[in-house]
Amino acid sequence: TQLLEQSPQFLSIQEGENLTVYCNSSSVFSSLQWYRQEPGEGPVLLVTVVTGGEVKKLKRLTFQFGDARKDSSLHITAAQPGDTGLYLCAGAGYGQNFVFGPGTRLSVLP
Amino acid sequence: NAGVTQTPKFRILKIGQSMTLQCTQDMNHNYMYWYRQDPGMGLKLIYYSVGAGITDKGEVPNGYNVSRSTTEDFPLRLELAAPSQTSVYFCASSFLGENSPLHFGNGTRLTVT
Repeated sequence: TQLLEQSPQFLSIQEGENLTVYCNSSSVFSSLQWYRQEPGEGPVLLVTVVTGGEVKKLKRLTFQFGDARKDSSLHITAAQPGDTGLYLCAGAGYGQNFVFGPGTRLSVLP
Repeated sequence: NAGVTQTPKFRILKIGQSMTLQCTQDMNHNYMYWYRQDPGMGLKLIYYSVGAGITDKGEVPNGYNVSRSTTEDFPLRLELAAPSQTSVYFCASSFLGENSPLHFGNGTRLTVT
């Protein structure tokens, strides 16, 4: 069974600060996705990365897929209160369903 | 465009009761999934379907059943509710399987007492 770990589990920062959250596994993934979930709602896809070493930017969010395709990071620049939520990574092995990490709960204080 | 719709939003069951969680999608997606989300545990796959008439077990299928008679609908059945099934349940769909975005409903919060 593929397992994904995420760190930190909780993060509380002030508006304007930068932060990085991590997603790690001992397994190799064919692709990795990041989702954000707000209270009372389902997760919403932020990005999919499929190539080792790939970097994708989505406004103030930068996603990186590790060279070995076992890990990923999400960096947020100048965090805003609207970034508050649960950030989930999900990895899929070749021909397999996605496995989700436990999430990082981010709180951005105004 | 409604996307993935789940009903009900909340439900309280007594131990041993049965219920069906409804899920429907209007995106003509072939793949549909049921997950449960427990605090600090992420999302665990219960059952999935790659098309009408085809279902398969996920990571945590015990105590649940599914059916997929149409492309749109993927109900989840709990036959004998147990306290361990207290959770938030999410239905999701995707156009393809691997690498495709998962589109989630807003969940059903179930409490079994």
